[in-house]
Amino acid sequence: ILNVEQSPQSLHVQEGDSTNFTCSFPSSNFYALHWYRWETAKSPEALFVMTLNGDEKKKGRISATLNTKEGYSYLYIKGSQPEDSATYLCAPNSAGNKLTFGGGTRVLVKP
Amino acid sequence: DSGVTQTPKHLITATGQRVTLRCSPRSGDLSVYWYQQSLDQGLQFLIQYYNGEERAKGNILERFSAQQFPDLHSELNLSSLELGDSALYFCASSAWTSGSHTGELFFGEGSRLTVL
Repeated sequence: ILNVEQSPQSLHVQEGDSTNFTCSFPSSNFYALHWYRWETAKSPEALFVMTLNGDEKKKGRISATLNTKEGYSYLYIKGSQPEDSATYLCAPNSAGNKLTFGGGTRVLVKP
Repeated sequence: DSGVTQTPKHLITATGQRVTLRCSPRSGDLSVYWYQQSLDQGLQFLIQYYNGEERAKGNILERFSAQQFPDLHSELNLSSLELGDSALYFCASSAWTSGSHTGELFFGEGSRLTVL
């Protein structure tokens, strides 16, 4: 079982501010790192799938970086908006595309 | 709409009973996953099927079983239900195949099980 840690567990952000949070995972036997966005009363939706060390992905105001050698990924939200409020989950996958999810970072953007 | 369909959306039953949750994956996806989300817990991996065969198993209780049928839909059977089995059960599917490293998951809306 992979040990996946996300920090912080939750954070409050003022509208317009930028923020970032971390996902730590075992660096050995790495295949890919997934980020998902999970809004309340909805289902998780994929944001990024990252495979290469140094990978950077961007979707609108949200971006992510990946360091496979040290086993961490950062997710950044630039100019946070209330609609960015959600739980952000990371999940490395092991062989066979088995994803192990971290506990998530719950983001609340305050107007 | 992810294209993954789960039924029922809500289910209330009593301890000791047995229920079946059903999942239809996205068209063409061979891989199906089941996850459990209990109160204040994250997504816990239960089991994965690929093209009808069990591929990976997580911390799935012996009282729980699953299968994937030839038409690729999957069912999760929960028996001898206990209060602690109350949770949201998600099914997800992926276009991942055995020849590739990774594939994103598409989640259904979940089946909320309440055991009284």
